[in-house]
Parts: sequence; structure tokens; C-alpha cells
Amino acid sequence: AQSVAQPEDQVNVAEGNPLTVKCTYSVSGNPYLFWYVQYPNRGLQFLLKYITGDNLVKGSYGFEAEFNKSQTSFHLKKPSALVSDSALYFCAVRVVSNFGNEKLTFGTGTRLTIIP
Amino acid sequence: GAGVSQSPRYKVAKRGQDVALRCDPISGHVSLFWYQQALGQGPEFLTYFQNEAQLDKSGLPSDRFFAERPEGSVSTLKIQRTQQEDSAVYLCASTDFGLAGPGELFFGEGSRLTVL
Repeated sequence: AQSVAQPEDQVNVAEGNPLTVKCTYSVSGNPYLFWYVQYPNRGLQFLLKYITGDNLVKGSYGFEAEFNKSQTSFHLKKPSALVSDSALYFCAVRVVSNFGNEKLTFGTGTRLTIIP
Repeated sequence: GAGVSQSPRYKVAKRGQDVALRCDPISGHVSLFWYQQALGQGPEFLTYFQNEAQLDKSGLPSDRFFAERPEGSVSTLKIQRTQQEDSAVYLCASTDFGLAGPGELFFGEGSRLTVL
């Protein structure tokens, strides 16, 4: 089955330090990968996606992600963390059914806490 | 409106009651998805519409769950004879070009269902 895994339930980073939120994928064929962020009592907001091309993808709010085919990873990164980055982060993969219907399959999420 | 709108935001139901959750997607968006997010978990796919056609309902957990989108815009998720395990946040999302296209998946803020 095509899926993503987020190995860390919780990541704590000091404000101003670089942050990394990890994601690995298991996909047959070329993966379409996504990162979403969820603030308390809010829906998910799109951050960035990798479809093809440059392995370093830049997204919203200064976030970027690096696609690594050999390690089957798509880690989310930011050079300097802000307290306002504290939220729940989800990695997701596009899955296409045998009938050609698509959907996003999400990881279990990583709670990022930025410490002032 | 500018975004995906869901109502009610909060619903408390007694076990055995029927509930209906509404989703107003972004105007013109062809694709509409319903997801279920249990506490502390990632969103789980329920069903997918392309215009008024329900093309994938493989994620609906039981025949108590029913979704419709009769005119290709507003969608309703209905849960009959609610059970405690149905307690979750139900997320609706829409997109125009599909997941691999230039568009992104836009989520509503969700409907939090609590079954007592």
C-alpha cells in the first residue's frame, strides 16, 4: 500500500534554530508528496508539494522540503524557527486507485513546538 | 465565500441519533473530499466526488455513513444511528485541477462530532 510515515510524534526546537520534521514514503512509481499544517481548531493548510523537478521545494511561511529518492524521504525544513510555527504538521502522498481516482493519504502527524 | 465552509462547527449527539454535516466548497471546484480525523490522528479518507458523481466511497467505515453532492456543489455527510466511535472531526476539502495539477487541496475548518 502507498503510504507515508512520520517517525516523530513531537519535535521541540528553540526559537531561531533550524527545524526539521521527518517524513518517509512508500510508493510505487513516482511519488507526489505534500506537507500540510494544522493550527488548533482549524483545517489543514497547504504548505508545499513535490511533483517533479528540483528536489528542493520551497513553500509558504519560509518552509522548504527536500525530496530524497534514495532515502525515500521528504523532510520539512526551515532555517530559523518562529514561535508561530508551533502547530501540527502532516505529510501526505497522492494515491491513485485502480479506477483512476485520486486522494491524499496522510501520515499520523508531528507536533512541532518552538520554545521561546 | 472565499474558502471551504463547513457547518455545524460543533455537534453533540446522543448515541443512536442521526446527524448531517454540510460542506460548501470553493465555488467552481470540481473535486470534493471528506476526511475523518480522530483525536491525535491524521485525517483518514472517507469519500470523493467529482461534480455530483461519487467516484470513491471506499473509506466510509460502515453503511451508516452516507454522502451526497446532488448538484455538484454543496455536499452533505450523513451518519445514521451514531455510535461513540464516530466521535471525530469531519473535514471537507475541495480542489479544481486535481492533486497533481497546479491547484492545491483546500480544507474547511471541520465539524467536530461528539457522540455521548
